[in-house]
Amino acid sequence: DAGVTQSPTHLIKTRGQQVTLRCSPISGHKSVSWYQQVLGQGPQFIFQYYEKEERGRGNFPDRFSARQFPNYSSELNVNALLLGDSALYLCASSFRPVYNSPLHFGNGTRLTVT
Amino acid sequence: KQEVTQIPAALSVPEGENLVLNCSFTDSAIYNLQWFRQDPGKGLTSLLLIQSSQREQTSGRLNASLDKSSGRSTLYIAASQPGDSATYLCAALHGSGNTGKLIFGQGTTLQVKP
Repeated sequence: DAGVTQSPTHLIKTRGQQVTLRCSPISGHKSVSWYQQVLGQGPQFIFQYYEKEERGRGNFPDRFSARQFPNYSSELNVNALLLGDSALYLCASSFRPVYNSPLHFGNGTRLTVT
Repeated sequence: KQEVTQIPAALSVPEGENLVLNCSFTDSAIYNLQWFRQDPGKGLTSLLLIQSSQREQTSGRLNASLDKSSGRSTLYIAASQPGDSATYLCAALHGSGNTGKLIFGQGTTLQVKP
């Protein structure tokens, strides 16, 4: 079975632009979470979605938004990009929001803002 | 506010050595604690998950322990190999489990020399 897939793998944007990152969870997984990992640090929680509803939100500005589709795939949108948004964006899926089983992460999208 | 700290930030050992990675958290009200491995430029791979009611988990050469009362977890790697070289991250699941979020440490970068 395919793991969590994210696209694109790399992206270069200019300050002020908008970006959309995509994530397909493992088949059968209904929960998707998004994390931001700045170089040299641990990932930071951005959003969690389950059954197309937002279940959690981290301390990120309103420039960050996300949604989950009926097929449980998800998109993360970032508006008005800042240099500080440069990071590895990770998507993780699980069968349910309850983390009785480990989270499965994708390989991430490397976003560079110039 | 939950904070997760990992010590040391970096570790270099000769092949074959047994080693311990440390993780501490400030809020003992966690749902579970997870250890992940991250190779350069890649996503996270789940290694071990310890529920809050458990004391330890083992997988092959890896053993993770959890002491909620002291706010500490350790990852023990036996007979280290060069292929174990990676960054190891611990993460505490904070919240009810239905809407919880993982709080990550900054990671320990391990180098195992042949």
